[in-house]
This record gives sequence, C-alpha cells and structure tokens, in this order.
Amino acid sequence: EPEVTQTPSHQVTQMGQEVILRCVPISNHLYFYWYRQILGQKVEFLVSFYNNEISEKSEIFDDQFSVERPDGSNFTLKIRSTKLEDSAMYFCASRQLGTEAFFGQGTRLTVV
Amino acid sequence: QKEVEQDPGPLSVPEGAIVSLNCTYSNSAFQYFMWYRQYSRKGPELLMYTYSSGNKEDGRFTAQVDKSSKYISLFIRDSQPSDSATYLCAMEGTGRRALTFGSGTRLQVQP
Repeated sequence: EPEVTQTPSHQVTQMGQEVILRCVPISNHLYFYWYRQILGQKVEFLVSFYNNEISEKSEIFDDQFSVERPDGSNFTLKIRSTKLEDSAMYFCASRQLGTEAFFGQGTRLTVV
Repeated sequence: QKEVEQDPGPLSVPEGAIVSLNCTYSNSAFQYFMWYRQYSRKGPELLMYTYSSGNKEDGRFTAQVDKSSKYISLFIRDSQPSDSATYLCAMEGTGRRALTFGSGTRLQVQP
C-alpha cells in the first residue's frame, strides 16, 4: 500500500542551526502539506503546496520556514535558525484533490 | 470559541464496549470531515472520510455527521485493546486545502 515516507524519524539540533526535514509523498498525489504537533497539543497546519508553489500557509509559517520540491519525488521543509519552541513532531501529508489526506509517520525535532 | 472542540478524555472502556467519540465545530464552511487514529509519537492514520450529513460505516467504525448541529461522531463497536490510541477529528471547508484538527480524545480499552 502506498505511503508517505518521512526522514529522519528523529532529529536533534542545536538552537540557531538550520534543519531540513524530508518527505516522499504518495506518487500520484498533487497536494502536499506540512503540519506540526507540539507534545501534548493538537496537530497544526503549517503550509500547503501545489503546482510547485505555496497555496496556503498559516501564521506559524513565518520567514524562518521554507518548503521546496527539489525533484519529482521529494518535498522538504527547511527551518532556518531553529528555536527551542520549534521542538515538535513534524508531519508531511499528501492527497489528490477532493480526497482524504494521508500522513507520514513524522519527524521528531528536538532543539537543544 | 475554538473552531473545533473535542473532549480530551481519557476515556476508559472495557473490551467489547461501544465507544462514542465526538467533535463540535463552529465554522459553517467546514464541509469535509475525517477521523484519524494516532498512536503515541506516530503519524495520524486515516479511519473515516465523509462529506455529507448522515452515517458512513466501515467495519467496526461508523462516522456520523450532523451539519445542522455542527456535530460529528465516531462510533467503535466491539472495541479492542488495540483500539487504545488518541482519536483526532479533522475538517476542512470547500476550496480550502488545510485540515483543522480537534485536540484529540485519548481512548483506553481495558482487556
């Protein structure tokens, strides 16, 4: 069964460093997303991406964040100059238009 | 008022019980409704997806939507210990591509 794959599963980084979280969406999906979940809190939308551009972003997704689809299969989230409060689970999701979204297993980001 | 309200639980039931999980929402623009199951430190796993008022059944799971009351439910029949997880409701509006999640209800099914 097709699935969304995320790497790494756990990333530890020092405050102020840049991190790149990687995702391989389901191959025939056209819409891609990043969500995050701070420990004990709800899943929050960060950004959606369609046709090689951002289609929507939340107020959380500020200039510190960027997304890219560098090739036909990968979808990345870059966080510049990480802060302690960026520690969270980051989930990638993908979908076809008008269908349900499928999530990856997440990357646990720990900023120390 | 939060856009999506969900009782955090925990909800503890004996094995074999019928479980009822609920969410209310305030945004009339929400038209599509999903239920996800999430195990600790794992990604949300889709259980049910529906876009109309009424019931939708899949195995032991039934999703119910009442748009007039802005209320959705997930029923789990013959609950099993393996159903112990956090259940997330999620919804989105027409033309908007992002999901708005509830805070999740933690369910424990006791053997």
